[in-house]
Order: sequence, then structure tokens, then C-alpha cells
Amino acid sequence: EPEVTQTPSHQVTQMGQEVILRCVPISNHLYFYWYRQILGQKVEFLVSFYNNEISEKSEIFDDQFSVERPDGSNFTLKIRSTKLEDSAMYFCASEARVPGRLDEQYFGPGTRLTVT
Amino acid sequence: GQNIDQPTEMTATEGAIVQINCTYQTSGFNGLFWYQQHAGEAPTFLSYNVLDGLEEKGRFSSFLSRSKGYSYLLLKELQMKDSASYLCAVRDLMDNYGQNFVFGPGTRLSVLP
Repeated sequence: EPEVTQTPSHQVTQMGQEVILRCVPISNHLYFYWYRQILGQKVEFLVSFYNNEISEKSEIFDDQFSVERPDGSNFTLKIRSTKLEDSAMYFCASEARVPGRLDEQYFGPGTRLTVT
Repeated sequence: GQNIDQPTEMTATEGAIVQINCTYQTSGFNGLFWYQQHAGEAPTFLSYNVLDGLEEKGRFSSFLSRSKGYSYLLLKELQMKDSASYLCAVRDLMDNYGQNFVFGPGTRLSVLP
């Protein structure tokens, strides 16, 4: 069964450093998402991406964040100048979104980011 | 505004039935989804409702009342492996173009032998 993959599974970085989290969505899916979940808290939407551009972003997704689809398969989340409060599990999700039909999002296993 | 409420914790016995409630207030609505999340793992899809009524999927059923902003997830024949957090999420239409999921805080279910 096709699945969303994410690398690395765990990233440790120092405050102020840049990190890039990588995701490979399911190949025929059209919509991609990033979420984060701070330990013990709820899942929070960051950004959605369609047709090579951001279609929606939350208040959390400020100028320190950016997303990119550098090739046909990868979908990346870059965090510039990380802060301690960026420590969280970051989930990538993808969705087929066939027109006229509601669809589910498939989540990747997540990247645990620890900022020290 | 956007607000989704769920009970924080529930406990049930193996073999029993449990109902997890979710109430929501969002600016738009384009479906309500239920996810299961085991500790340290990603959410996995269980069920969704777009129209009012009951959707059944094996041991899991989900109900929606849009007029009341209310949904529940029903789990039957509980098994120990059902111990997990159950997340209610609403697909919220934002400004009529973008859509995103708004997640509730999750209900941590403990199944006891």
C-alpha cells in the first residue's frame, strides 16, 4: 500500500540554525500539507500546497517557514533560525482530492524536531 | 472563530462499546473526520461524515449533526489495541478557496481488561 514517507525521523538542532524536513507524498496525490504537534498538545495545521504554490497557511506559518516542491516527488518544510518553541513532531500529509469527492489525508510517520 | 471540543480522557472495558463525542464551531464546514493516534505515531484515518447521519465502518461508526455542530465516534467490541487518542477534525473552508483541517485536542481512550 502506498504511504507517505518523511526524513529524518528525528532531527536535533541548535537554536538559530536552519533545518529542512523532507517528505515524499503518495505519488498520484495532488495536495500536500504540513502539520505540527507539540508534545502532549493537539495537531496544528501549518500550510497546504497545491499546484506548486501555497493554497492556505495558518498564523503559525510565519516568515521563518517556507515550503517547496523542488522536484516531482519531494515536499520540504524549511525552518530558518529555529527557536526552542519549534520543538515538535512535524507531520506531512498528502491527499488525492479527486474533484467532486471528499478525500482523506494520509499522514507520514513524522519528524521529531528537537531544538536545543 | 474555530473551536473543537472533545473529552480529554475516557476509560472502557475490553469488549464493551464506547462513544466519543465532539462538538465544533468553525467558520465553514466541509466534512468532519475522525483519526486514531497511538502515542508517538502519526494519525490514521478512521471515518468521515459530510452529511447528517451515521456512517458505519466495521467496528467503528461515526455520526454527524451539522445543525448541532456535533459528532460522535462509536467503537464496538473494544480491544486492548484500541487504547489510543481519537482526534476529531473539521475541514474548514477558509475564504472560499483554501481548506484546512482544524483538529480537536483528542480524547485519550484507555481500554482495560
